[in-house]
Amino acid sequence: DIQMTQSPSTLSASVGDRVTITCRASQSISSWLAWYQQKPGKAPKLLIYKASTLESGVPSGFSGSGSGTEFTLTISSLQPDDFATYYCQHYLNYPPTFGGGTKVEIK
Amino acid sequence: EVQLVESGGSLVQPGGSLRLSCVASGFTFSDHYMDWVRQAPGKGLEWVGRSRNKANSYSPEYAASVKGRFTVSRDDSKNSLYLQMNSLKTEDTAVYYCTRGGSVTTGYWYPMDVWGQGTTVTVSS
Repeated sequence: DIQMTQSPSTLSASVGDRVTITCRASQSISSWLAWYQQKPGKAPKLLIYKASTLESGVPSGFSGSGSGTEFTLTISSLQPDDFATYYCQHYLNYPPTFGGGTKVEIK
Repeated sequence: EVQLVESGGSLVQPGGSLRLSCVASGFTFSDHYMDWVRQAPGKGLEWVGRSRNKANSYSPEYAASVKGRFTVSRDDSKNSLYLQMNSLKTEDTAVYYCTRGGSVTTGYWYPMDVWGQGTTVTVSS
């Protein structure tokens, strides 16, 4: 199985900050990577797929980059609605595994 | 509106069985791969299983942790996805989400782009 490792596990930031979350795959997954946002008590929401393609309706302040084994999710200017937990997930093969999550907290 | 609505979650004893259902609306259900994903209390996301579409013989895939105990199935005439869970263990306690995968239009290498609200399964004596 491909292991997905996210860092940091928790991030404290302020409104307006630029935030970067890293996701590493244990082997190359090309660009078959998605990012999800989850708020407490809610289902995850797809933000980005194929490493850098923004899902329809997602604010342009979110961006993704990377390929192979190293990926990043960047929030250019953190908004109050962005405080949540973020997960990366590969979908190259089975099982499609998720990273452990990064909780973005208010500083 | 594209929507997935799960049901069937409840409290069940270890060793017991449960069947979860997911009803889809707002899109052509039969075109899509469909998945189940779960989240244990306070934990991260874990993919459980997949049902491919008719064009791909409805063939399933399962996580190692549930293989042989869980069965994913679907009824395209009812726009419904199911998860039959047998020999339940305490570690199966989680919120179970129904999700939409790819289709011939999007390509089958595609993420889970629509999620239901989840249904809670608690395995405890």
